[in-house]
Amino acid sequence: EIVMTQSPATLSVSPGERATLSCRASQSVSSKLAWYQQKPGQAPRLLVYGASTRATGLPARFSGSGSGTEFTLTISSLQSEDFAVYYCQQYNNWPVTFGGGTKVEIK
Amino acid sequence: QLQLRESGPGLVKPSETLSLTCTVSGGSISSSNYYWGWIRQPPGKGLEWIGSIYYSGSTYYNPSLMSRVTIPVDTSKNQFSLKLNSVTAADTAVYYCASLAGGAVALSWGQGTLVIVSS
Repeated sequence: EIVMTQSPATLSVSPGERATLSCRASQSVSSKLAWYQQKPGQAPRLLVYGASTRATGLPARFSGSGSGTEFTLTISSLQSEDFAVYYCQQYNNWPVTFGGGTKVEIK
Repeated sequence: QLQLRESGPGLVKPSETLSLTCTVSGGSISSSNYYWGWIRQPPGKGLEWIGSIYYSGSTYYNPSLMSRVTIPVDTSKNQFSLKLNSVTAADTAVYYCASLAGGAVALSWGQGTLVIVSS
């Protein structure tokens, strides 16, 4: 099973600042990497798939990059609605696995 | 716009079978565009993939749960289900159903349903 490690566990950022979230795979997952956002009491929401393709309607301030074992989700200018937990997911190998999440909180 | 909704008991006794149903609206479960899956999240923890099914009946289960899980589909009702037997407290979680692109990318999610395993 591929282990997905996200860092940091918690990221404190001021509104308007840039946030950079990292996700590392224990072995190569090519570009089969997705990112999800989850707010308290809600289901996760797909943000990015294929490592860098934004989901329909996702604001351009969200961008994904990387391939192989190292991936990044960047939020260029944090808005109030972006404070949430973010998960990465690999789907190159079975079983599909998720990272432990990064909580983006208001600084 | 696909909508999914989970339904089923919120409390299950240890050693019994957890049964949930996901009802799909706004589209056909027989669409060749999607797989359909279950994902769970223990309280305060991360996400765990349970398994998925294609309308034809092909299934893919997480090896960690394979011996206890089945995911049947009922195309006549536009529903798919989750059956997890021999549950323990470790199976307490919010259970989500989702539509999957490429078999694994969760495009649309249900709102989730909390299932507590307790006597």
